[in-house]
Amino acid sequence: GAVVSQHPSRVICKSGTSVKIECRSLDFQATTMFWYRQFPKKSLMLMATSNEGSKATYEQGVEKDKFLINHASLTLSTLTVTSAHPEDSSFYICRRPVAILRNYEQYFGPGTRLTVT
Amino acid sequence: QKEVEQNSGPLSVPEGAIASLNCTYSDRVSQSFFWYRQYSGKSPELIMSIYSNGDKEDGRFTAQLNKASQYVSLLIRDSQPSDSATYLCAVRAGANNLFFGTGTRLTVIP
Repeated sequence: GAVVSQHPSRVICKSGTSVKIECRSLDFQATTMFWYRQFPKKSLMLMATSNEGSKATYEQGVEKDKFLINHASLTLSTLTVTSAHPEDSSFYICRRPVAILRNYEQYFGPGTRLTVT
Repeated sequence: QKEVEQNSGPLSVPEGAIASLNCTYSDRVSQSFFWYRQYSGKSPELIMSIYSNGDKEDGRFTAQLNKASQYVSLLIRDSQPSDSATYLCAVRAGANNLFFGTGTRLTVIP
């Protein structure tokens, strides 16, 4: 069964507005979540690492003031796209590591399709 | 720079055949390896993980890992049209950092 959910699955917004995307861990607590974006027919691009109780770590070239990440609880991480523009239209996906014995399995959420008009 | 390389394909196989997907990686200390299947417009779905040398089988899927050669592969037996997707190889390094290949697009022809 799914271990990570995302909400909403699809969102359409107007330029200049902000959109919040939720990534929820369904079974276990998650101190770390990873956020990706993916353009059509392109590879996954890691945007940032979300850490519960501390600031997110952003990848080079990702604007932290534009993509606000909050990991306020052990089961919820949110990504807010502020002042969205059409070029922010993309598929946003979170990933959660799950400890199994001594290893970590890596599960993705179902993704959120953002369209900015 | 950690690199993961896959043949981008497209790879076409007839229904019922074995599809063989290959991946090489550059970081010798990598310990965890994953294969994901991604359908168009969907997020990647974990289908296999492998951590030690040798083969790991799960249903029609077999992952093979050779750390000495820095090579990991995925075999899909009795390929079905529903297996048509992009397959992503991923290598974990450090604290849950995942490095992805660019993906191999597989088409299973009925």
